Amino acid sequence: DGGITQSPKYLFRKEGQNVTLSCEQNLNHDAMYWYRQDPGQGLRLIYYSQIVNDFQKGDIAEGYSVSREKKESFPLTVTSAQKNPTAFYLCASSIALEGFREQFFGPGTRLTVL
Amino acid sequence: DAKTTQPPSMDCAEGRAANLPCNHSTISGNEYVYWYRQIHSQGPQYIIHGLKNNETNEMASLIITEDRKSSTLILPHATLRDTAVYYCIVRMDSSYKLIFGSGTRLLVRP
Repeated sequence: DGGITQSPKYLFRKEGQNVTLSCEQNLNHDAMYWYRQDPGQGLRLIYYSQIVNDFQKGDIAEGYSVSREKKESFPLTVTSAQKNPTAFYLCASSIALEGFREQFFGPGTRLTVL
Repeated sequence: DAKTTQPPSMDCAEGRAANLPCNHSTISGNEYVYWYRQIHSQGPQYIIHGLKNNETNEMASLIITEDRKSSTLILPHATLRDTAVYYCIVRMDSSYKLIFGSGTRLLVRP
């Protein structure tokens, strides 16, 4: 089945540690996205990528980094510079950056920083 | 900021129609209305979208007013599995951005 996988579902880290969240898609989509969701709030865009080896900052990129070395993969690193990293992180993809009908979302990773 | 306004919560009885309103009074002529829903602790799921005409698919119907300043998502026979947060989003076809507001939390009662 085609889809987006994110791992792990729950992640715990100590304050000051960097952590990398995995996102893989087998939909052959060019565009991929990372969102952050805080309790009771909507999603906010962290980074997005139109194509391999290209990515752009979203609305709340500070304290995060990404890479896009393969079409299928778009890992997100939450660095120690991110002041409030505890949140629900969602990865998404679409066939292209424009003209898509829908973005497909993964199941999310819930990160808790202790 | 989200360009849409939705009630924070609604409820309906199982088997009845759920009608979720959305106000988008500043929508521009080339912006579509999209609906997504998010079941607790899962990723959002696309439901339906439309520009001017009413739309229907296997999940829901979308009714857009003639002036396009508001719309209603209709789940014709709500089930317990429809309990979720529903997001109304306006977006141009040329834009990558989905701007999620706080949505409407729909509770379907047994």
